[in-house]
Amino acid sequence: RKEVEQDPGPFNVPEGATVAFNCTYSNSASQSFFWYRQDCRKEPKLLMSVYSSGNEDGRFTAQLNRASQYISLLIRDSKLSDSATYLCVVLPKGAGAGSYQLTFGKGTKLSVIP
Amino acid sequence: GAVVSQHPSWVICKSGTSVKIECRSLDFQATTMFWYRQFPKQSLMLMATSNEGSKATYEQGVEKDKFLINHASLTLSTLTVTSAHPEDSSFYICSTYRQGAPRETQYFGPGTRLLVL
Repeated sequence: RKEVEQDPGPFNVPEGATVAFNCTYSNSASQSFFWYRQDCRKEPKLLMSVYSSGNEDGRFTAQLNRASQYISLLIRDSKLSDSATYLCVVLPKGAGAGSYQLTFGKGTKLSVIP
Repeated sequence: GAVVSQHPSWVICKSGTSVKIECRSLDFQATTMFWYRQFPKQSLMLMATSNEGSKATYEQGVEKDKFLINHASLTLSTLTVTSAHPEDSSFYICSTYRQGAPRETQYFGPGTRLLVL
């Protein structure tokens, strides 16, 4: 089983639609969770952290379910500029350099269509 | 502005040549640099972790004699792909962090796209 699994998509949605991405992780000892965005041929960029209580940043809502080892990202009112690949990312517990090692999912590609 | 620079941004080379990729932290000391590789439609896979002044730690399946990593200073880490072959064609990205900063604050280089003919 892969450490971080995502539906690769692609998700093709019209502008204004709501779209949800899911992710599961295998290491129950994982401590921190994030969604990154990666545009084509670019480096990944942090979109938002994910907390058990759920967190929202504008049109983006992230949720973590530790019991199910499941992470979600909801995008409301999709914009053309949201077209990108969304990466589910996990950090382990611990200290030292190893605790900074990000584990990436394969990513879910989103295309927002006019 | 950019916190981590990476050069070159793209390179095309013949099979059998060696390619050096440099990552520099621009305004802080990077004691650790992570090197990732990303094949098309795949996730970023950690190749190795370099630490200033010591040997790099390689992930399982990554040949240390083929992917030479040098982290001789606190602001520069290099990855050399020796005797590159077409299967090494990929997107290589480095990342690092500031000591004491939140772990989610990591800085990525812009990546190097390598095409081996």
